[in-house]
Amino acid sequence: AQSVTQLGSHVSVSEGALVLLRCNYSSSVPPYLFWYVQYPNQGLQLLLKYTTGATLVKGINGFEAEFKKSETSFHLTKPSAHMSDAAEYFCAVSVNNNNDMRFGAGTRLTVKP
Amino acid sequence: KAGVTQTPRYLIKTRGQQVTLSCSPISGHRSVSWYQQTPGQGLQFLFEYFSETQRNKGNFPGRFSGRQFSNSRSEMNVSTLELGDSALYLCASSFEQGLGNTIYFGEGSWLTVV
Repeated sequence: AQSVTQLGSHVSVSEGALVLLRCNYSSSVPPYLFWYVQYPNQGLQLLLKYTTGATLVKGINGFEAEFKKSETSFHLTKPSAHMSDAAEYFCAVSVNNNNDMRFGAGTRLTVKP
Repeated sequence: KAGVTQTPRYLIKTRGQQVTLSCSPISGHRSVSWYQQTPGQGLQFLFEYFSETQRNKGNFPGRFSGRQFSNSRSEMNVSTLELGDSALYLCASSFEQGLGNTIYFGEGSWLTVV
């Protein structure tokens, strides 16, 4: 069964520092992977997704993620953190031929001034 | 283009009562899915509807049910509420079903059961 595991429930970085949020997946078939962000008291917003093709995926707000099959990973990065990036981030995998998504437990990102 | 709209945003219910939550998908979207988000269990898939038919269901008891109308709007119902049903219920929509589809989330309905 497809699943994702996010390493680190909390990540804290300084403003301007590199952001790295880790996600590993488990899938018996080629996975379709997503990163979503959730700001307080809001729903989830799509940052980026990987389906097929280029393994380096660029998303909104300067985020990108690289699909690495050999490492079963889909880590999210941003070169320079901004205070507005503070939020909870979820990695997800699409399951079956429908819109059933399996989410990781989430990583709360704190950005220090 | 309006996003996914969920009503009500906040509600408080008593144990044993039932609740109905509503979701209006993005215009033109035919698939609506529901998720429950709690601090302990995280985000869990409830069910998905496409063209008024339930296509998939998560591992939740029969107290959780839903339906979709011909205009793609959806409702979910929870009967005989329990304290553990307190959660953020998120609705998401997409144009169609299928692997890799982007689903767009609403802001959710916060349910507190007392």
